[in-house]
Amino acid sequence: DAGVTQSPTHLIKTRGQQVTLRCSPKSGHDTVSWYQQALGQGPQFIFQYYEEEERQRGNFPDRFSGHQFPNYSSELNVNALLLGDSALYLCASRGRQGGPKGYTFGSGTRLTVV
Amino acid sequence: GQQVMQIPQYQHVQEGEDFTTYCNSSTTLSNIQWYKQRPGGHPVFLIQLVKSGEVKKQKRLTFQFGEAKKNSSLHITATQTTDVGTYFCALNYGGSQGNLIFGKGTKLSVKP
Repeated sequence: DAGVTQSPTHLIKTRGQQVTLRCSPKSGHDTVSWYQQALGQGPQFIFQYYEEEERQRGNFPDRFSGHQFPNYSSELNVNALLLGDSALYLCASRGRQGGPKGYTFGSGTRLTVV
Repeated sequence: GQQVMQIPQYQHVQEGEDFTTYCNSSTTLSNIQWYKQRPGGHPVFLIQLVKSGEVKKQKRLTFQFGEAKKNSSLHITATQTTDVGTYFCALNYGGSQGNLIFGKGTKLSVKP
């Protein structure tokens, strides 16, 4: 039973560039959420996808966008990268109904903007 | 919006000592979840508390939800080096389809 898979694990980008991060949810999960975790901080909610639509969004600018595919996998896109976008980006999945209440997190993508 | 505050920010203990982290809110919480993140790792779900005054145990870990549902605690008895990591409380905001509002976490280090 595969857990949440994220790629790439590490990434270095230059200010102003664009980046795409990918996530495959745990088998049986259909809801995917993305979080940004700055060093020494708790994860901050970016947005949630279910049935290929963005259902909820946190306090992040429009430079952050996403997508969910029919197989429930998801992408996070960040445009016009800023130095402050450097962080660990976590994908979390859960099932819509029943099962454990907690989210299953992937190992994350460490993004460094230089 | 709702938020949760955690104290202490850091805790250094000798192996075998007990450890407690506290999670507080100014408003009533519908639920609270606890996660553990090992150094260099990702958050791993530990437990969810929903009922007022609820107490749940997992081996050496004891989780409590306050009677007023405004605070929660995680207590570890006789810490081991494997307990090292950051412990986060998180509010599952927005019902069953909600998302998590995390506290800033308590970083636990254990000296052997």
